[in-house]
Amino acid sequence: EMQLVQSGGGSVQVGGSLRLSCAASGFIFSDHYMDWVRQAPGKGLEWLGRIRIKILSFTTEYGASVKGRFTISRDDSQKSVYLQMNSLQIEDTAVYFCARVVGHYSDGSGNWHGPFDVWGQGTMVTVSS
Amino acid sequence: DIQMTQSPSTLSASVGDRVTITCRASQSIGIWLAWYQKKPGQAPKLLIHKASGLQSGVPSRFSGSGSGTEFTLTINSLQPDDFATYYCQHYNYFSPGFGQGTKVDIK
Repeated sequence: EMQLVQSGGGSVQVGGSLRLSCAASGFIFSDHYMDWVRQAPGKGLEWLGRIRIKILSFTTEYGASVKGRFTISRDDSQKSVYLQMNSLQIEDTAVYFCARVVGHYSDGSGNWHGPFDVWGQGTMVTVSS
Repeated sequence: DIQMTQSPSTLSASVGDRVTITCRASQSIGIWLAWYQKKPGQAPKLLIHKASGLQSGVPSRFSGSGSGTEFTLTINSLQPDDFATYYCQHYNYFSPGFGQGTKVDIK
């Protein structure tokens, strides 16, 4: 069974840092881009960022609201992806999800694009003043 | 960035109803659109990919259509388990984006 199990999260004060982990099982982790998504209380889903695979040098993309503060990394030997969150603000309070990207098409530059077919269970992050 | 706009924001329906949700993209995204179901306390669940492809294991009462900038998710014969929030998502650029969601609640 394909599975993503998240850990980390919790409460932190404004300006603090937190690291989330996401461990994969049941599929070839190193073959897949991995993304992070969050949902603030009462709000919709917000894409945070992506990390690609080794052949694409583990390059990353980030959403505007977290660029420069959040960093995504991965360890294929541990089948895990991480979200390092720095300079946390009140508005970063949310449930955070990791997700597997399933490649549906290539844009000709070697990048693959696709939806998210496997998700972690989510982990709550609360930022307080 | 591509903006995704869903309508309606909330939809009240009864068991057995046919429900249609619309998603519009601010520019053409081809068929690179997915639909997800989200319930409180649960992770999103992929329902539809490539605008009309039914994800494995998803009941056939769910269907998607559209291309370019306008897409629809249809639920035929709404079941009690279907009351949830539905999100569209484009995935043809480096920054995939979601619609704001459509909550389907009980009439």
